[in-house]
Amino acid sequence: EAQVTQNPRYLITVTGKKLTVTCSQNMNHEYMSWYRQDPGLGLRQIYYSMNVEVTDKGDVPEGYKVSRKEKRNFPLILESPSPNQTSLYFCASSLFRYNEQFFGPGTRLTVL
Amino acid sequence: QKEVEQNSGPLSVPEGAIASLNCTYSDRGSQSFFWYRQYSGKSPELIMSIYSNGDKEDGRFTAQLNKASQYVSLLIRDSQPSDSATYLCAAPSGSARQLTFGSGTQLTVLP
Repeated sequence: EAQVTQNPRYLITVTGKKLTVTCSQNMNHEYMSWYRQDPGLGLRQIYYSMNVEVTDKGDVPEGYKVSRKEKRNFPLILESPSPNQTSLYFCASSLFRYNEQFFGPGTRLTVL
Repeated sequence: QKEVEQNSGPLSVPEGAIASLNCTYSDRGSQSFFWYRQYSGKSPELIMSIYSNGDKEDGRFTAQLNKASQYVSLLIRDSQPSDSATYLCAAPSGSARQLTFGSGTQLTVLP
């Protein structure tokens, strides 16, 4: 089944404890992206990648890191999480940058 | 001006009615437009893509694109309570490096 997977789906952590949210797609898509969604603020892009080893900042990159060492994987790294990073996170992928994006199931992160 | 704007709603329609959702965009270079449906707490789900002027129909859904007016809409015929969700309009930004989402329209279909 063609899909985007994310893990973990739910995570509660404490301020400053480094964490990684994994994202993987099995559709051979070139483009991958991370979003966060907060009430009243809609979907905001954190980082995106147009291909392996090519990543760029989205609208809200502060406090996040990404890497794209393999085409299928695009992990999101929070080196020192803070409470303002409590949010619902989505990974998405598309064949190319112009195409429709397909979303993973989401990761609900709470930083205490 | 936001690149993609939607009528913010919320929108309520009775079961069986036509729901009309609207979206305008600012970038005349945009070539593709997408409608997503998002249930509360769930991920956005693609329901329609449209690339050419005119109408595109898929079941109870019709997307309409008017590039001259920079306007794209989604019609849901025979609305069902299960259609109650937030609908997001999206278009690639000018460089197509990002997909810009509207703020969404919350639709409620009343039984």
